[in-house]
Amino acid sequence: ETGVTQTPRHLVMGMTNKKSLKCEQHLGHNAMYWYKQSAKKPLELMFVYSLEERVENNSVPSRFSPECPNSSHLFLHLHTLQPEDSALYLCASSQELAHLTDTQYFGPGTRLTVL
Amino acid sequence: GESVGLHLPTLSVQEGDNSIINCAYSNSASDYFIWYKQESGKGPQFIIDIRSNMDKRQGQRVTVLLNKTVKHLSLQIAATQPGDSAVYFCAEWARGDYKLSFGAGTTVTVRA
Repeated sequence: ETGVTQTPRHLVMGMTNKKSLKCEQHLGHNAMYWYKQSAKKPLELMFVYSLEERVENNSVPSRFSPECPNSSHLFLHLHTLQPEDSALYLCASSQELAHLTDTQYFGPGTRLTVL
Repeated sequence: GESVGLHLPTLSVQEGDNSIINCAYSNSASDYFIWYKQESGKGPQFIIDIRSNMDKRQGQRVTVLLNKTVKHLSLQIAATQPGDSAVYFCAEWARGDYKLSFGAGTTVTVRA
């Protein structure tokens, strides 16, 4: 395993629900990322955190709200989602941000289905 | 549009044969390239990387080739095995940026 865990692995929610995705990394990394992976599309970067500060919000709708309470944990709070938000949500971490050859390590993802 | 892409969305390979997966990129400022493998139900897993000052790098059963002249990257898998069946992504990183750009992926299926 990569040292990055995500829970839950699968989530089904209605459009009026509120849920949260959790990511935890056990690698001592300082940067964490949320990606959205939809079928037949490239990975879409959603949010980037470095040392618990948000570096980028990549034009993501406000119905997605990230939280990074410490460098080991990252959350993605979900509310009033749309069916087109159904996708695999991947968390990743890297030692530092913007460092050449700094590999990102991915978690297994949360498969989200919005009904 | 995408700065990184793969030539073919799918590739079917006979077990034991060599596989070649291709990737084209458009950002000439890209400094660093990575190949990831994503098996069903899992997140992307690092396979091999290469810096822009190199044109070839070898790992265990894998070789990455970089041709900066034509902005082309390839991953060669020797003696392809059933466990190599997965989606393969290339990703690039440009100096001065802090994020990777990913291609759409090539699905490799190994035939027994």
